[in-house]
Amino acid sequence: EAQVTQNPRYLITVTGKKLTVTCSQNMNHEYMSWYRQDPGLGLRQIYYSMNVEVTDKGDVPEGYKVSRKEKRNFPLILESPSPNQTSLYFCASSFSGAFSYNEQFFGPGTRLTVL
Amino acid sequence: KQEVTQIPAALSVPEGENLVLNCSFTDSAIYNLQWFRQDPGKGLTSLLLIQSSQREQTSGRLNASLDKSSGRSTLYIAASQPGDSATYLCAACNDYKLSFGAGTTVTVRA
Repeated sequence: EAQVTQNPRYLITVTGKKLTVTCSQNMNHEYMSWYRQDPGLGLRQIYYSMNVEVTDKGDVPEGYKVSRKEKRNFPLILESPSPNQTSLYFCASSFSGAFSYNEQFFGPGTRLTVL
Repeated sequence: KQEVTQIPAALSVPEGENLVLNCSFTDSAIYNLQWFRQDPGKGLTSLLLIQSSQREQTSGRLNASLDKSSGRSTLYIAASQPGDSATYLCAACNDYKLSFGAGTTVTVRA
């Protein structure tokens, strides 16, 4: 089944404890992206990657890191999480950088709470 | 920076009524505009994607229009059903980045 998977789905952690949220897609998509969703603010893009080893900042990259070493994986790293990073996180992918023709496919989301 | 607005924030209609959801965006230099559905606690499901060169796109009971010059898109859902109850999000694509509206939460009453 074609899908975007995220792990973990739920995570409660404490301030300053490094964590990684994994994202994987099995559709051979070139483009991958991370978003956070907060009440009243909608979804905001954190980072995106147009292909392996090519990443760029979205609208809210502060406090996050990403890497794209393989086409299928795009982990989101919080080096020192803070309570304002408590949010619902989504990973998404699409076929190629010819972006005008390609719809985005979303993962199920990761609900992160930072105490 | 692209700003996307969806009005109204919430909508409640009786079953069978047609739904009209509005989306406006500030930067008309978009690659495409996408409509998504989000159910509580779930991810986003793509409904329709309108390329910048298109005026509308249809899928079953759903029809989306795009007017780039005025920075507007409208999603029409015909003959609404209780199963259409969800939050509907629009997203404008510029330079490989998606900007989302805050969504319209729809309740269809049986």
